[in-house]
Amino acid sequence: AQSVTQLGSHVSVSEGALVLLRCNYSSSVPPYLFWYVQYPNQGLQLLLKYTSAATLVKGINGFEAEFKKSETSFHLTKPSAHMSDAAEYFCAVSEYGNKLVFGAGTILRVKS
Amino acid sequence: DAGVIQSPRHEVTEMGQEVTLRCKPISGHDYLFWYRQTMMRGLELLIYFNNNVPIDDSGMPEDRFSAKMPNASFSTLKIQPSEPRDSAVYFCASSTSSYNSPLHFGNGTRLTVT
Repeated sequence: AQSVTQLGSHVSVSEGALVLLRCNYSSSVPPYLFWYVQYPNQGLQLLLKYTSAATLVKGINGFEAEFKKSETSFHLTKPSAHMSDAAEYFCAVSEYGNKLVFGAGTILRVKS
Repeated sequence: DAGVIQSPRHEVTEMGQEVTLRCKPISGHDYLFWYRQTMMRGLELLIYFNNNVPIDDSGMPEDRFSAKMPNASFSTLKIQPSEPRDSAVYFCASSTSSYNSPLHFGNGTRLTVT
């Protein structure tokens, strides 16, 4: 079965600094991978998805992620953090059909 | 596009009572998912439907939980009887039938069982 592991349950960065949220996946087939963001008291929103068309995927709000098969990774980055980026971020992998398996989440804190 | 609509937003009930959570998916979406989110277990898939038919209910914790989708625009998740350990945020999500189309989540129902 597919699974994802998010390294670091909490990440803290200064405003303007690089954001790096780590995700490693386990999949027996070429994976479809997603990053979602959850703001307080809201549902999850799609940031970006990887569907094998390109290894570098650009998403909303300046985020991007790079698929690295050799490292089984799909890390999320943003060059310059903004206060509004503070939220919880989830990496997910698609199993059969449209069923998603989510990682445990990483809470991003942005310091002024 | 009104998005996925869940009701109620908050539910507080006493142990032993029946709880019904409701979801209206996005029109035209063929898949509907129920997830539960807790601090201890994260996001867990409880059950999902395709074209109103339950496809995988292996995540439903026990017989106290049941879910229905009587038509394409409505689904319910019922807990009877409720227990304090059922306290969580329950999310409904929907997607189209395109392979690996993203999920669209509702804002969730925060359930507290005392």
